[in-house]
Amino acid sequence: NAGVTQTPKFRILKIGQSMTLQCTQDMNHNYMYWYRQDPGMGLKLIYYSVGAGITDKGEVPNGYNVSRSTTEDFPLRLELAAPSQTSVYFCASRESGGGETQYFGPGTRLLVL
Amino acid sequence: RKEVEQDPGPFNVPEGATVAFNCTYSNSASQSFFWYRQDCRKEPKLLMSVYSSGNEDGRFTAQLNRASQYISLLIRDSKLSDSATYLCVVNGGWEYGNKLVFGAGTILRVKS
Repeated sequence: NAGVTQTPKFRILKIGQSMTLQCTQDMNHNYMYWYRQDPGMGLKLIYYSVGAGITDKGEVPNGYNVSRSTTEDFPLRLELAAPSQTSVYFCASRESGGGETQYFGPGTRLLVL
Repeated sequence: RKEVEQDPGPFNVPEGATVAFNCTYSNSASQSFFWYRQDCRKEPKLLMSVYSSGNEDGRFTAQLNRASQYISLLIRDSKLSDSATYLCVVNGGWEYGNKLVFGAGTILRVKS
C-alpha cells in the first residue's frame, strides 16, 4: 500500500492564480482531511469528508474548495491564490467506525508570491 | 485561549536524559488524546494514544489528567533519533465531528 499520496510536493504560485492539490489514499478509508500548517502553528483543518459525495468545512475553509467524487481522491482547490495561503498542506485519512489514527500524506509546500 | 497548548521549546537535552512534555486542553468534553511525532519537513505520525490510566510504550510514557485537562509525555533514555517535534492532539468527540485539534508542538533536540 502506498498509503496517502500528495502531488505536487512543492509549487510556487503568483497571486491570483489557481491550482489543485491532489490527494489519494489506497486504504479504503472513508474519512479524509485537509490541513494547513504554518510555521510555529498547529495544523488547522481546512475541509474534511466522511465519505464520497460528502464534504464539510473545517476551521479555515475560506479561499479553498474540495470535492469527493470517489473514496480514494480528495482534491483541494485554490481559486485565487493569496500570500496568506503560503503554507504546507497535509492530506490525511482514517478509518470510520472506531479507528482514530489519522494517516498523513507527505505534504505539499505552497509559496504564493 | 488556545484549544490545545504546548510549551514550544526547544528542549535541548543530552543523550540518555529524561525529558517531559506537557499539554493542556480547553474542551472538557474531549474524549481521545494522542501524541504525534513530526520530523523536520515531514508529515505527522502517531506516536501513541493516551489513556486515562496512563500507558507506556518502551521508553515513552503518556499520562492524562482529566480533572486538570492535562496530558504529558515522558521520554526516558533519550536517543539522537528522538529529535523531532511532538504534537499534542485532542479529539473533540462526536459533537465536534470527531475532528482532531492539534497543538503547535514541542521541539526536542537530543545532542551527543
